[in-house]
Amino acid sequence: DQQVKQNSPSLSVQEGRISILNCDYTNSMFDYFLWYKKYPAEGPTFLISISSIKDKNEDGRFTVFLNKSAKHLSLHIVPSQPGDSAVYFCAVYSGGSNYKLTFGKGTLLTVNP
Amino acid sequence: GAGVSQSPSNKVTEKGKDVELRCDPISGHTALYWYRQSLGQGLEFLIYFQGNSAPDKSGLPSDRFSAERTGGSVSTLTIQRTQQEDSAVYLCASSSTRGRDSPLHFGNGTRLTVT
Repeated sequence: DQQVKQNSPSLSVQEGRISILNCDYTNSMFDYFLWYKKYPAEGPTFLISISSIKDKNEDGRFTVFLNKSAKHLSLHIVPSQPGDSAVYFCAVYSGGSNYKLTFGKGTLLTVNP
Repeated sequence: GAGVSQSPSNKVTEKGKDVELRCDPISGHTALYWYRQSLGQGLEFLIYFQGNSAPDKSGLPSDRFSAERTGGSVSTLTIQRTQQEDSAVYLCASSSTRGRDSPLHFGNGTRLTVT
């Protein structure tokens, strides 16, 4: 049973537009969420995180929104750039753990010039 | 500075053979993790080390999988009697401490193909 779901395997947007990547989770006890970005043949790199005490966290072009009642978070990239083309993974610390991350299956973002 | 280094980057092996995958974490990082990514799947937690001890091995899929860490540094993941379902990218990560404020730094992974 997937605890973290990224229902869109892929997303294509035009350069300069907004990219919105979505993630749903099942357990209302989850309280810390992360996004990782992965280029082909490379390991994932940490992008941005959010604690459940917040509903928004912003870092440059990247903003993560958390809707606890809907158990939903989203990553907004504005403006999107071709270099943002990668697989984006949503992740949560699970089971009260401070070390074990549970990842979604990822969304492949393609930003077209 | 050097990141997390994994070797080999690719490994093709015959079913039934044993394989060893190596991870060199970032110097000074006390926490080390192994994950794997099978085709079309997210990253799956395998094992966590704090120093040389492994307080959580719960993600190892079977007793054919084992891992060790020596000197608080290098880690080796060993898969005995490999099966085709073991084919995946095996990713190692390290962090300076355990905890949510210490992001994981991943290596580029070892792509294992079992024929």
